[in-house]
Amino acid sequence: DAGITQSPRHKVTETGTPVTLRCHQTENHRYMYWYRQDPGHGLRLIHYSYGVKDTDKGEVSDGYSVSRSKTEDFLLTLESATSSQTSVYFCATASQNSPLHFGNGTRLTVT
Amino acid sequence: RKEVEQDPGPFNVPEGATVAFNCTYSNSASQSFFWYRQDCRKEPKLLMSVYSSGNEDGRFTAQLNRASQYISLLIRDSKLSDSATYLCVVNRDGNNRKLIWGLGTSLAVNP
Repeated sequence: DAGITQSPRHKVTETGTPVTLRCHQTENHRYMYWYRQDPGHGLRLIHYSYGVKDTDKGEVSDGYSVSRSKTEDFLLTLESATSSQTSVYFCATASQNSPLHFGNGTRLTVT
Repeated sequence: RKEVEQDPGPFNVPEGATVAFNCTYSNSASQSFFWYRQDCRKEPKLLMSVYSSGNEDGRFTAQLNRASQYISLLIRDSKLSDSATYLCVVNRDGNNRKLIWGLGTSLAVNP
């Protein structure tokens, strides 16, 4: 595995509260990604990063922001959580365009 | 029509059986292809990349048919541990931010 750790593993939060998910990698991979996985949908890209302080939007970025201040950490923030953001969130890393390796996921429930 | 389509299954097979999954894609310009496996409530893990000439890794064989726009995965001598969901992934242009994920095919190998 690429040494990818996500925290927290599980979180329950209320609508309207801010939430930050953390992804930490030890492989010094340049590229990092945040995905969400929901029934009836394939994995969908939220945001990605191609280096420190370099990020861009993915397919489903509305309601999410990211930050990458260090190579090893990629944070995903829900500024004001909504029930539609209840999902399983996966972080992934890659070097150049090699296949992605995933963290073990964060299960988020917004009530 | 989804850009990447898989038969959701479930495929129920006895141990030792040979099973094959197909995945069709709609974008003829797609450049690279992968199979991932995902165990229940776990992260996706790369099973194998799919090369134009076809490739084999132990009991697993992957093939690409560009003319008909599908990729296949063949599993020989199925083991109980092969029970999982198999995700087809297509890269539109060689850039990981353009990965399109299928919904997966569920396989249950029975004793």
